[in-house]
Amino acid sequence: IQLTQSPSSLSASVGDRVTITCRASQDISSCLAWYQQGPGKSPKLLIYAASTLQSGVPSRFSGNGSGTDFTLSINGLQPEDFATYYCQQLKSFPHTFGGGSKVETK
Amino acid sequence: EVQLVESGGGLVQPGGSLRLSCAASGFSFSDFNMNWVRQAPGKGLESVSYISGSGTTLYYADSVKGRFTVSRDNARNSLYLQLDSLRAEDTAIYYCATLRGGVGSQRFDSWGQGTLVTVSS
Repeated sequence: IQLTQSPSSLSASVGDRVTITCRASQDISSCLAWYQQGPGKSPKLLIYAASTLQSGVPSRFSGNGSGTDFTLSINGLQPEDFATYYCQQLKSFPHTFGGGSKVETK
Repeated sequence: EVQLVESGGGLVQPGGSLRLSCAASGFSFSDFNMNWVRQAPGKGLESVSYISGSGTTLYYADSVKGRFTVSRDNARNSLYLQLDSLRAEDTAIYYCATLRGGVGSQRFDSWGQGTLVTVSS
């Protein structure tokens, strides 16, 4: 299963609302997770089952979608949110990742 | 607190071998399915292998099938990845990660800090 993320990069300012999309090459139901990776850091789980917020993750992060089209939104971008975001499908092996979306400072 | 600590990375020549380890603590290791994920320099994430909690079910990415072998020792709370016939394109940071959840709610919820493998002559 291929995952296509867009955009691959975007420029934003603190306080902005940011939306990243992830499209699967076939129906994956709600078997999608989102991760955040800061520079030189390990990935961190944000959302699973397409829309369930991981414990401890701020509520400004939200996920939506099912089937083949998914979105990750950040409502009120904070300085620590400038990072790269990856989607991952867990419908079938291998558990493929999208190519990543880098959120940069405008 | 869940902790995953990878080790065993380093510089190896093409065609060579390495064995990576992931030491787990803070949870019941044998109850969790585990994964190896790699990230080439400046690139995205690639799921490399999966092993069930009992060690009886294994999966590999096509890019490493026949060259890499995943295993675990539940008595030692440790996960391993044997890397053989290494190629330059295997150069990456290798992470171990726990797979939590049932059907429809699975996720990689804990990650180690990674260990760097460099394949070069």
